[in-house]
Amino acid sequence: QVQLVESGGGVVEPGRSLRLSCTASGFTFETYAMHWVRQAPGKGLEWMAVISYDGNYKYYADSVKGRLTISRDNSKNTLHLQMNSLRADDTATYYCAKSEKKTAVAGLCESWGQGTLVTVSS
Amino acid sequence: SYVLTQPSSVSVAPGQTATVTCVGINIASKSVRWFQQKPGQAPVVVIYSDNDRPSGIPERFSGSDSGDTATLTISRVEAGDEADYYCQVWDSYSDHYVFGPGTKVTVL
Repeated sequence: QVQLVESGGGVVEPGRSLRLSCTASGFTFETYAMHWVRQAPGKGLEWMAVISYDGNYKYYADSVKGRLTISRDNSKNTLHLQMNSLRADDTATYYCAKSEKKTAVAGLCESWGQGTLVTVSS
Repeated sequence: SYVLTQPSSVSVAPGQTATVTCVGINIASKSVRWFQQKPGQAPVVVIYSDNDRPSGIPERFSGSDSGDTATLTISRVEAGDEADYYCQVWDSYSDHYVFGPGTKVTVL
């Protein structure tokens, strides 16, 4: 049973940074690529970033490139998302999702965590 | 960048068939995944690889595609099918993943 548990969300002031984590269990974490997807309140899903199984390949949505860094620690079955220079429009629930493949390309989202809410507000 | 278009809403009576479309250039050449999201919950895959169902998803859910349109069909709609539905593809030109804007299916 795949389990993904996000953490690290909360209220943060504009311009500050935040690091989200996703702890995985129930599958061999080190053999799958992983995604971050966000959903602003009342809005649709927005893909943010993907990282290959070994961490060597990363791709980002154009809207966040340069402000977000995806990383993983396979020894701890953990995925991270470092978010810098946060803005009000970054307010969203952030989901981590297991890819269907090990590569960062061509692997659509498969299993999802329950998400962690990030609110950017002064 | 690759763009997907979905109707914002679809309404259907119980027992009838709901059709949700996802339009993108030559989408039939891509692998399409459909997600169901109920309020306050994470998305769940209902269709993958265009028309395969994960275990636990009723046979009432099916997918198809042709040309620029992928279609999610929900037969014999039940009240529990009321949810938002999203399509997703991978765009090989940008190495980006794309979600459609979502369709709210309302059971009358």
